[in-house]
Amino acid sequence: GQQLNQSPQSMFIQEGEDVSMNCTSSSIFNTWLWYKQDPGEGPVLLIALYKAGELTSNGRLTAQFGITRKDSFLNISASIPSDVGIYFCAGQPSISGYALNFGKGTSLLVTP
Amino acid sequence: ETGVTQTPRHLVMGMTNKKSLKCEQHLGHNAMYWYKQSAKKPLELMFVYSLEERVENNSVPSRFSPECPNSSHLFLHLHTLQPEDSALYLCASSQGALVRNTEAFFGQGTRLTVV
Repeated sequence: GQQLNQSPQSMFIQEGEDVSMNCTSSSIFNTWLWYKQDPGEGPVLLIALYKAGELTSNGRLTAQFGITRKDSFLNISASIPSDVGIYFCAGQPSISGYALNFGKGTSLLVTP
Repeated sequence: ETGVTQTPRHLVMGMTNKKSLKCEQHLGHNAMYWYKQSAKKPLELMFVYSLEERVENNSVPSRFSPECPNSSHLFLHLHTLQPEDSALYLCASSQGALVRNTEAFFGQGTRLTVV
């Protein structure tokens, strides 16, 4: 599959701070998805993006589908301790019908 | 109750054992997937089923054998595994497999340890 580069690999922040993470690809994607995974659980879908330039919010989370269709970012505003977890980007390449490719994840730690 | 349910949640098996992982989705989806999640690696797609037909097998060793008896159930049969097969195995489902704009919904995973 197409490799996704997700950064940063980990973040250690204080409660109340804003967080930003991003994903890039060498090829064009049709869909960008952002997931959060808690320890011992499966990934949970946070936001789905379908159009280049699309900006979508889900509570304190905001994600954008890059204009070039090769990148996406996720912002978390006013972080709280329960935001702790691993955040994954996933994309559906334009050259294949269905296989989602995943980034390696961003591990987020939030201190009170 | 989650939309995608996996059992068991934890499994420890010897290299000569035979076991099966089960996945059930209650979302009315037509496609189901098995992923493998190892430490510090991206999720690896193993198998894709669309309308009970296997549409993708990503060079997975034959010691992993999937089965999809209907669109709501997916199994992964395991035999003669190796310690490096220890990982979190995730099942997912989506509305369709051969379509654009697919959102995948995951189960809670089975933590497999091969001893």
